[in-house]
Amino acid sequence: NAGVMQNPRHLVRRRGQEARLRCSPMKGHSHVYWYRQLPEEGLKFMVYLQKENIIDESGMPKERFSAEFPKEGPSILRIQQVVRGDSAAYFCASSPRSPSGDEQYFGPGTRLTVT
Amino acid sequence: DQQVKQNSPSLSVQEGRISILNCDYTNSMFDYFLWYKKYPAEGPTFLISISSIKDKNEDGRFTVFLNKSAKHLSLHIVPSQPGDSAVYFCAAVNTGGFKTIFGAGTRLFVKA
Repeated sequence: NAGVMQNPRHLVRRRGQEARLRCSPMKGHSHVYWYRQLPEEGLKFMVYLQKENIIDESGMPKERFSAEFPKEGPSILRIQQVVRGDSAAYFCASSPRSPSGDEQYFGPGTRLTVT
Repeated sequence: DQQVKQNSPSLSVQEGRISILNCDYTNSMFDYFLWYKKYPAEGPTFLISISSIKDKNEDGRFTVFLNKSAKHLSLHIVPSQPGDSAVYFCAAVNTGGFKTIFGAGTRLFVKA
């Protein structure tokens, strides 16, 4: 049973380009979470999705950022018109149930560098 | 707003001794608290959790203590091993609110 997969592991974009980050949850997991980690900081919640639904996007910047988790395929975090401040590690996690005392299973992250 | 705080950015401990990592929180609505461990270039991995109705949970070398009145929890690792060297994140969940809130992390160095 493969773990949470994220790709690409490293992504370099120039300012103004679009970044697409992909996350395949663990088999049987229908709940996906995206987090951002800036250098020397903790993980900041961005968005929580279930299949085809955004449940909580209160951590997402209002502009340029969007997320989806379609019926088929991976979850996508999309950042339009990237700026230098978007440079960070983006982690995806999945769980079989909605948030509780059960742990979330994290992917290895995508490190985005905006030049 | 920092609802979960880890005030020590780093901690250095001798192998075989006890490591104590601390975490404070401000939201009394949190139901569960979790500790995650993170190695460089990897995602966090779950270590241990505790429900807000308990004050202690133990799993092998790892014990988490919860003091609800002080809104404080701690992770004890004993004996500490060099392989425990990593960043440890404290996290809190309000099951009614869906989010998991993470602290900034404490980097633990265990010296051989």
